[in-house]
Amino acid sequence: GAVVSQHPSRVICKSGTSVKIECRSLDFQATTMFWYRQFPKKSLMLMATSNEGSKATYEQGVEKDKFLINHASLTLSTLTVTSAHPEDSSFYICSASPGQSYEQYFGPGTRLTVT
Amino acid sequence: DAKTTQPPSMDCAEGRAANLPCNHSTISGNEYVYWYRQIHSQGPQYIIHGLKNNETNEMASLIITEDRKSSTLILPHATLRDTAVYYCIVSASGGSNYKLTFGKGTLLTVNP
Repeated sequence: GAVVSQHPSRVICKSGTSVKIECRSLDFQATTMFWYRQFPKKSLMLMATSNEGSKATYEQGVEKDKFLINHASLTLSTLTVTSAHPEDSSFYICSASPGQSYEQYFGPGTRLTVT
Repeated sequence: DAKTTQPPSMDCAEGRAANLPCNHSTISGNEYVYWYRQIHSQGPQYIIHGLKNNETNEMASLIITEDRKSSTLILPHATLRDTAVYYCIVSASGGSNYKLTFGKGTLLTVNP
């Protein structure tokens, strides 16, 4: 149990375009989902916390208009990187919490490359 | 900022126990100790968590000192597949609203 999927696993896009990444909790309802970013050889950095049916809470320094987060259902959250630039190239990872337990379950990650 | 201190790397022989230390001297009374690991190019995997009692599950054991200022994750019989970066994280309880702040972790290399 407690499986989180992400789609796509890998995406290459051109500079200036937008990319949407999906995060799904497959066997539980996630009241809260989290989005992280990880640069090569670095640790995970929390970008935002997404609660179903409400606006996401962004960490300091993360542009909410650039990284659009939608958590429209208890099993799906999406991250849209708008007007992508090469410096947005990174490994994006989501996690989900069932809400009644203390663990976060992570997706396999999405590798974004902006050319 | 991460509130834990871990050695940057450790080595362990296959089949032996791997003991990964973590210092969290500023831990608050309502903060749990979590351990996650990340195998290269994958999402982190939950291992175990605890508040003040020692915990054991099918993956590992967690030993927390009485003053809660440090803990040790024990993998009883390490295998090559246990090679990963192990993160020790302290975070307040609170159901779905807690945050996980990842530090640099410990790169555990299990050698044949």
